[in-house]
Amino acid sequence: AQSVSQHNHHVILSEAASLELGCNYSYGGTVNLFWYVQYPGQHLQLLLKYFSGDPLVKGIKGFEAEFIKSKFSFNLRKPSVQWSDTAEYFCAVNANTGFQKLVFGTGTRLLVSP
Amino acid sequence: DTGVSQNPRHKITKRGQNVTFRCDPISEHNRLYWYRQTLGQGPEFLTYFQNEAQLEKSRLLSDRFSAERPKGSFSTLEIQRTEQGDSAMYLCASSLALGLAGSSSYNEQFFGPGTRLTVL
Repeated sequence: AQSVSQHNHHVILSEAASLELGCNYSYGGTVNLFWYVQYPGQHLQLLLKYFSGDPLVKGIKGFEAEFIKSKFSFNLRKPSVQWSDTAEYFCAVNANTGFQKLVFGTGTRLLVSP
Repeated sequence: DTGVSQNPRHKITKRGQNVTFRCDPISEHNRLYWYRQTLGQGPEFLTYFQNEAQLEKSRLLSDRFSAERPKGSFSTLEIQRTEQGDSAMYLCASSLALGLAGSSSYNEQFFGPGTRLTVL
């Protein structure tokens, strides 16, 4: 069965600091990978996605993620965070088998202090 | 607002009662998904429809849970004989699939605001 691990449950950063959130998945086959963000009081929104091709994908608001197949990882990065990036971030995987379900990690709460 | 909508946004009920939630997907989307999210966890998949056909069901979906999408548009999720362990946020998502039902193509899922259920 697929699973997703997000090792950082809570992260606190100051504005302008760099961000890297870890995500590892367990599934031996081809996968589609996602990062979703949930801002306070809002619903889940897609930040970026990887289906195939260039393993470095860029998303909205200056976020990017790198798929490293050998490490089963899809870490999220941002060079300089802003207070408005305070949110909960979820990594998710869909096994490219025809099944449509997303398997989510437990999420990382990011607090950016001004 | 043309996003996914869910009603009600909050529901408080007593143990043993039945509850029903509604999800209205983005209008042209033919796939609809239900997830459940408990405190401190990510969303967990419950079930998915393509048009009116229910194509996948999780083992989490016990026989007390039933989901329908009778006309391939809105969907309802009913929980019978609620238990305190059913307390959670119930999320709905939708996507547009261009292939046939059961097609392996994956499409971005857009999430609604959720219905928060509290069972006393």
